Amino acid sequence: GAVVSQHPSWVICKSGTSVKIECRSLDFQATTMFWYRQFPKQSLMLMATSNEGSKATYEQGVEKDKFLINHASLTLSTLTVTSAHPEDSSFYICSARVSRGNYGYTFGSGTRLTVV
Amino acid sequence: GQQLNQSPQSMFIQEGEDVSMNCTSSSIFNTWLWYKQDPGEGPVLLIALYKAGELTSNGRLTAQFGITRKDSFLNISASIPSDVGIYFCAGQSWSGNQFYFGTGTSLTVIP
Repeated sequence: GAVVSQHPSWVICKSGTSVKIECRSLDFQATTMFWYRQFPKQSLMLMATSNEGSKATYEQGVEKDKFLINHASLTLSTLTVTSAHPEDSSFYICSARVSRGNYGYTFGSGTRLTVV
Repeated sequence: GQQLNQSPQSMFIQEGEDVSMNCTSSSIFNTWLWYKQDPGEGPVLLIALYKAGELTSNGRLTAQFGITRKDSFLNISASIPSDVGIYFCAGQSWSGNQFYFGTGTSLTVIP
């Protein structure tokens, strides 16, 4: 149980285009989801906290107009990288808090974004 | 965002050896989690700790919540090749809802 499904697993896009990444909680309701960014051989850096039905909370230094987050339902949160540039190429991972069982936060499988 | 200091940064060990890694923070945390990440995948939860001094095991893995609430330790006994990966600690403060991650420990097990 407690599975977060993230799609796509990888995407290549041209500079200037936008890319949408989806995260769905399959067997539980996620009122809060977290979006992380991970560069090669580095740790996960929290980008924003997504709350169902309200505006996302962004970490310092993360451009909210560039990384649009929508959490319209209890099972779906999306991250849209707008006007992508090569420096946005990274591994993006979502996670959701699991309020039952083993607790902790379960992660999606990640999305490898490459902007060319 | 906040980041925790994790050491060592990388380890190369022989199969069968024990492994120890730790995570420290300048802030007090009320929850510590340990994750393992395989290449190209999201992190998978290994152990969760909720109380200072708590010692919890999961198979060959043992983790402890430091008494000061500012550190945590993970030990892996009798390592095997499938232990290879990057291990991250994550901490949650009293005031926050989100977790912040350590810098990671890359583990290589030599058969």
